Amino acid sequence: GAVVSQHPSWVICKSGTSVKIECRSLDFQATTMFWYRQFPKQSLMLMATSNEGSKATYEQGVEKDKFLINHASLTLSTLTVTSAHPEDSSFYICSADGRGLAGVTDTQYFGPGTRLTVL
Amino acid sequence: DQQVKQNSPSLSVQEGRISILNCDYTNSMFDYFLWYKKYPAEGPTFLISISSIKDKNEDGRFTVFLNKSAKHLSLHIVPSQPGDSAVYFCAASGGNTPLVFGKGTRLSVIA
Repeated sequence: GAVVSQHPSWVICKSGTSVKIECRSLDFQATTMFWYRQFPKQSLMLMATSNEGSKATYEQGVEKDKFLINHASLTLSTLTVTSAHPEDSSFYICSADGRGLAGVTDTQYFGPGTRLTVL
Repeated sequence: DQQVKQNSPSLSVQEGRISILNCDYTNSMFDYFLWYKKYPAEGPTFLISISSIKDKNEDGRFTVFLNKSAKHLSLHIVPSQPGDSAVYFCAASGGNTPLVFGKGTRLSVIA
């Protein structure tokens, strides 16, 4: 089945540094990927929709200059948390739109998540 | 190894009837469960959740039941409406871990 990977799975960084998280669709092409932030015991918050070859669409309240998203190819989207602060510590999860995979039209595949800890 | 399983990839229900979507999990450390709904060309949206200290949570037409001993949860939608047609994802987490998602069940509500 379709697999989405994220790298790294866990990252610890100092306050003020930038962190890049990769989301890859391993066996299919994904024109659209989504980035979410997860808080403990809470549901996912959609941060942005990443479309291959175009600018990401950010949800209201999400700073696009702080959370840089690049969807450079049909199998890779990256989220860069710039000038990270302790309040940015969270799980970040990506998902890839299943359109384009033979026999699949509108489902979605989730990555395993990246745990970001900002000291 | 799939920790969260939705064994029915699709389900068809007549309008007005009850829709029951099932989800099984294997990790006994999971203590928080959520259901998401996804329309075509959109990201999933949160629907309803349940903590492991409860066995039922109700929100309007949506009710989630949790059977911890069987490691099973289900989402009931009653009455089902055509607008409920979507893909439904079950997700689980335990402690300080990322959500783990099932593969989804496509619900079609037929008028």
